[in-house]
Amino acid sequence: QSALTQPASVSGSPGQSITISCTGTSSDIGGYNYVSWYQQHPGKAPKLMIYDVIKRPSGVSNRFSGSKSGNTASLTISGLQAEDEADYYCSSYTSSNTRVFGGGTKLTVL
Amino acid sequence: EVQLVETGGGLIQPGGSLRLSCAASGFTVSSNCVSWVRQAPGKGLEWVSLIYSGGSTNYADSVKGRFTISRDNSKNTLYLQMNSLRAEDTAVYYCARWGNWENAFDIWGQGTMVTVSS
Repeated sequence: QSALTQPASVSGSPGQSITISCTGTSSDIGGYNYVSWYQQHPGKAPKLMIYDVIKRPSGVSNRFSGSKSGNTASLTISGLQAEDEADYYCSSYTSSNTRVFGGGTKLTVL
Repeated sequence: EVQLVETGGGLIQPGGSLRLSCAASGFTVSSNCVSWVRQAPGKGLEWVSLIYSGGSTNYADSVKGRFTISRDNSKNTLYLQMNSLRAEDTAVYYCARWGNWENAFDIWGQGTMVTVSS
């Protein structure tokens, strides 16, 4: 049950786009389209931003998009805004019928 | 309103036991898959355990044999019984619903802090 691999930090200026990668294995990301992404502001509970690799829950801005290629999933945020500054976590269903999270990526809006 | 509220956290000595509760409103726990996720201070999210609507359960290797997930359908409440607690179990514990339509944790509680220390 190893954690998925994310970069520790990414940054971008307002209006720019950034992409956060999330690498797993064929037993999790590569084997299922059950990848999700969560945004977490300091001291707050995580919030679902993307599910089933590419889908957005109602109320989530269309500036957030997801994709997957092989064992790696990605979250792209376009038109960066100050309020996007937060920690982001990927997650996947696994072949063991468990769930696994990435180590998290701190997004800084410059 | 769909909501999860965790209670039961606190300071506990190593080797001790603690039971966390997660009261659900706006949906039925027994009809959903519900999970516990924890976050150690300054660290990332770690999946801990889940219980399916049918009652089957699963656990992370780090807690298997020490933690037990259960639910009380009459109280619409999820529980996590934690035994043989270790310092590394110190974390904020969240309960979260695995959506029936969204294959993801769509609803989260506010979390309850568990500190294991002598």
